[in-house]
Amino acid sequence: GAGVSQTPSNKVTEKGKYVELRCDPISGHTALYWYRQSLGQGPEFLIYFQGTGAADDSGLPNDRFFAVRPEGSVSTLKIQRTERGDSAVYLCASSSLDSREQFFGPGTRLTVL
Amino acid sequence: GNSVTQMEGPVTLSEEAFLTINCTYTATGYPSLFWYVQYPGEGLQLLLKATKADDKGSNKGFEATYRKETTSFHLEKGSVQVSDSAVYFCALSLLSDQGGSEKLVFGKGMKLTVNP
Repeated sequence: GAGVSQTPSNKVTEKGKYVELRCDPISGHTALYWYRQSLGQGPEFLIYFQGTGAADDSGLPNDRFFAVRPEGSVSTLKIQRTERGDSAVYLCASSSLDSREQFFGPGTRLTVL
Repeated sequence: GNSVTQMEGPVTLSEEAFLTINCTYTATGYPSLFWYVQYPGEGLQLLLKATKADDKGSNKGFEATYRKETTSFHLEKGSVQVSDSAVYFCALSLLSDQGGSEKLVFGKGMKLTVNP
């Protein structure tokens, strides 16, 4: 079956631009997580959705970062006024209420020049 | 706060060697513990997990035991293969009162290369 998918796989942008990163979770998974992985580090939590609502956004680094999940399935992570320090791999994971195991997508590698 | 400290490597072993990757944690509550693996060109995959003290997680010949007294979850494999070459991450999660979040807290990861 289909796993978690993320698009684009790579995104290169210029400092100050706006970017959107998309995550398609496994069908039927109500929980969705975004993480950010900088070079040489483990993934760091950004935000968690249960259904349509952002139930825990404590990991968002500042108000330039925002995420939505309007229909409780696909989620979009939005970054305004990108900075070079935003360069990282952005990972999405989804899980079901039953197993609660988080299944990860392949990530989007964001490079801010 | 909650954190995970693990061996960082990189580590290079010969095939059939014994592998240990140390992992210790700090947590404000009673966490679940995980080992994730990232094979070259692939996404993160759950390797094994343990949810309570003295539980042993095992998969693909790897094992780790949840040691509450030493706050550790060391990963071991008796005989590694070339196909085990990957980056290994130790992680914990705690059930939060924020909407049931079980966000994962990861260590920095350890790159393992196994040579034939």
